[in-house]
Amino acid sequence: DIVLTQSPVLAVSLGQRATISCRASQSVSISSINLMHWYQQKPGQQPKLLIYRASNLASGIPARFSGSGSGTDFTLTIDPVQADDIAAYYCQQSRESPPTFGGGTKLELK
Amino acid sequence: EVQLVESGEGLVQPGSSMKLSCVASGFTFSNYGMNWIRQAPKKGLEWIALIYYDSSSKYYADSVKGRFTISRDNSKNTLYLEMNSLRSEDTAMYYCAKGGVDYWGQGVMVTVSS
Repeated sequence: DIVLTQSPVLAVSLGQRATISCRASQSVSISSINLMHWYQQKPGQQPKLLIYRASNLASGIPARFSGSGSGTDFTLTIDPVQADDIAAYYCQQSRESPPTFGGGTKLELK
Repeated sequence: EVQLVESGEGLVQPGSSMKLSCVASGFTFSNYGMNWIRQAPKKGLEWIALIYYDSSSKYYADSVKGRFTISRDNSKNTLYLEMNSLRSEDTAMYYCAKGGVDYWGQGVMVTVSS
């Protein structure tokens, strides 16, 4: 299975940039298609899709969220961070079955 | 608007069985594969099962293979998860999720405890 590694916690100040990373144990890209996706989960809620295929903003997601990366290294950027963004963030790959998730990064206020 | 509504939440004893349902609306259910994903308390997300749009293929995580069965009824826009031989480690919030995991239900809590 493809293992996705995320840092458990990231502390940021409101109005600053947050950069959340996800590293895959093997490439999750096919040609130019990067099969990495990002989700936001607030306490007591289901996850919500933010970014699909590494860099595509899901419907209704604010433009302060962006994604980048290819191969094994991917990044979710939130700029600027707002209070409503305090949540857990998960990466997920769909390159191989089974689909796997990263362990999640909890975004906290500094 | 896409909606996924799970039901079947409950507390059961180890070794028992339980069946979850997920009713879909707002999209053509019969055109999409569907997933079950779970999250143990204070833990991360674990994909557990996938069924193709026409039920022609089903895939399971090793942790549930042989114990859980995913199925669907396209005439009822409903996804199911039959869970047998439940263990304490199956205690989790269970979510159904559409196709490429772009929409999730609100989840139902399954607690396995004596």
